[in-house]
Amino acid sequence: QVLLQESGPGLVKPSDTLSLTCTVSDGSISDYYWSWIRQSPGKGLEYIGYIYTTETSNYNPSLKSRLTISLDTSKNQISLTVTSVTAADTAVYYCARLRVGVGGYFDSWGQGTLVTVSA
Amino acid sequence: SYELIQPPSVSVSPGQTASITCSGDKLGEKYVCWYQQKPGQSPVLVIYGDNSRPSGIPERFAGSNSGNTAILTITGAQASDEADYFCQAWDSSAPVTFGGGTKVTVL
Repeated sequence: QVLLQESGPGLVKPSDTLSLTCTVSDGSISDYYWSWIRQSPGKGLEYIGYIYTTETSNYNPSLKSRLTISLDTSKNQISLTVTSVTAADTAVYYCARLRVGVGGYFDSWGQGTLVTVSA
Repeated sequence: SYELIQPPSVSVSPGQTASITCSGDKLGEKYVCWYQQKPGQSPVLVIYGDNSRPSGIPERFAGSNSGNTAILTITGAQASDEADYFCQAWDSSAPVTFGGGTKVTVL
C-alpha cells in the first residue's frame, strides 16, 4: 500500500512562492506518474499537473506559467512550486498517484495540506 | 476548455438507488472515473475506466458512460455512502478535467 505525505508551509504571503513536497513510501516513484491536485475551501477539485519524468509532464493551462513540478528520485519525493501566489491559491493541496492505461485516474492520495495565502 | 457538469445535490432513501450524472461534450469518447470524498478526508477512487471498481469498493457502486453522459449508480444506498462525489474525465489533449461535484444525502 503506497503512502503519500504532503509537507510544506501552511501560510504563504501574497506574491511569494509556494513550495510543497510529497514523500512517497513503499515503492519507487520512478515507476509511476504523480500529480498535484488542489481543492479550495468548500469547493471542487482542481487539477494542477502531473509528472512522470522531466520530459513527460503536463500542467493545467490556467496555472502553467506559474508552475513547476519536479521529481527527486533519491528521496522518493515529488515537489510543487507555484510562483506569485494570490488569495485564489488558498487551498488544500493533494499529491496523488496517477495511473494511465484505461484512461487516467488517481488511485492513491495523500492526506492533503492546507495552504493559506495571506499577509 | 472542457467542462463536466454535475448536479449539486442528490438525495436518496436508505436501500434505494442513487444515480449521479456527469455531462460533457462527447463524454462517451473519453474514459471517466469517480471519486468519493467524505468531510475532512481525501478523495477515494470508486470507479475507473468508466465501469471498473478498484479492489475494496463495494459492488453497489457501478458506472456507465455513453453519449454525453456518465452515470455513477449506487444501488442499495447506505448511510456510509453520504459524501461528495466527483467525476473526472481523461483525454490525451486535455488530460484531466473534474466535475464540480455532487453532494449525496442519504435520508
